[in-house]
Amino acid sequence: EVQLLESGGGLIQPGGSLRLSCAASGFAFSAYAMSWVRQAPGEGLEWVSVISNNGVSTYDAGSVKGRFTISRDNSKNTLYLQMNSLRAEDTAVYYCAKHLGAVAAPGDHWGQGTLVTVSS
Amino acid sequence: EIVMTQSPATLSVSPGEGATLSCRASQSVSSNLAWYQQKPGQAPRLLIYAASTRATGIPARFSGSGSGTEFSLTISSLQSEDSAIYYCQQYNNWPSMYTFGQGTKLEIK
Repeated sequence: EVQLLESGGGLIQPGGSLRLSCAASGFAFSAYAMSWVRQAPGEGLEWVSVISNNGVSTYDAGSVKGRFTISRDNSKNTLYLQMNSLRAEDTAVYYCAKHLGAVAAPGDHWGQGTLVTVSS
Repeated sequence: EIVMTQSPATLSVSPGEGATLSCRASQSVSSNLAWYQQKPGQAPRLLIYAASTRATGIPARFSGSGSGTEFSLTISSLQSEDSAIYYCQQYNNWPSMYTFGQGTKLEIK
């Protein structure tokens, strides 16, 4: 059974940093691209960052480019999102999602999310 | 950036009836279109990918169609458990953005 467990969320002041983790199990983690997707309170889904299965290729949404960094450790079956220079508008539930394949594909399994609140 | 527009914003349907949700892309995404269902307090669940392929475990009541810029999700024989927000997503622009629509809220009367 595929399981994705996010952690690392919490309350952080504007300008601060936070690192989210997503522990994966139940599938061959190194074979699949992974993404982070966020959802602000009461709002829709916003794709944040994607990383290829081998970690070589990454891409970020314009709203987080230069502030957020996606990475992965295939030896630990873990996905990360380093978030710097956090802003109030980054407040959201952050989901990690396993892609259906190793290249461009939708997310076929999602974690339950971790809440990040940016506030003073 | 490809913009995805869903309609209607809200749809209210009686149990047993069918519903069709629409999604339009600002430019062609070929068949690289997915549909998700999200219930309150839950993560999104993949329903349809490649515009018309049901994901594992998704009932045949859910069907997708379309290509290019016009897509639809049809749910037949609606049940109370189908109340949710439905999102479309394009994943055509690798390694660019995977844009979501703003969602359609489906209410079962």
